[in-house]
Amino acid sequence: GQNIDQPTEMTATEGAIVQINCTYQTSGFNGLFWYQQHAGEAPTFLSYNVLDGLEEKGRFSSFLSRSKGYSYLLLKELQMKDSASYLCAVLDSNYQLIWGAGTKLIIKP
Amino acid sequence: ETGVTQTPRHLVMGMTNKKSLKCEQHLGHNAMYWYKQSAKKPLELMFVYNFKEQTENNSVPSRFSPECPNSSHLFLHLHTLQPEDSALYLCASSQESGTGYNEQFFGPGTRLTVL
Repeated sequence: GQNIDQPTEMTATEGAIVQINCTYQTSGFNGLFWYQQHAGEAPTFLSYNVLDGLEEKGRFSSFLSRSKGYSYLLLKELQMKDSASYLCAVLDSNYQLIWGAGTKLIIKP
Repeated sequence: ETGVTQTPRHLVMGMTNKKSLKCEQHLGHNAMYWYKQSAKKPLELMFVYNFKEQTENNSVPSRFSPECPNSSHLFLHLHTLQPEDSALYLCASSQESGTGYNEQFFGPGTRLTVL
């Protein structure tokens, strides 16, 4: 079966750095997405990786290793507004998105 | 209006009621999706429409009935639901489904409670 694993919850301190990991086992791979979802709101797109390596976008970076079935989302200079759930999703061989359960990130002052 | 809108935002219904959820996208996309989001579970894909044609039905019970009259509008008709159907129902759209890069844009969801 297809499976996406990510931690259920993480806690970090304002101003610090946090890394949210995602491992996947899917039938084929056509890219990996990270979405952010604030409580009661729509998920919003953060990043897309299809090739190995690090993609940097401001305070957020996303890394992919296809051989290891692994990705991480790195958030720097954490702000209180970064408190949200972070969803990892893989585009499989049929170009359907397979979703993880999300990681709830709690930022403390 | 911009992006993807959903109405109502909150819905409470009894098990014998019939109600409908509405989704509208203003992005010129050709694919629309219904997802169910339950606490601490992955997003569950329910239905996919691509160019108004249903291309996915992930073993969804018949008490959920989708309708896609055009590429901009998507409905989810609900009848004789069960309490376990209580969840956040998210609508999304993308340029197309089933081919290539597929960034999906989500609406804010309808929080459904079945009593």
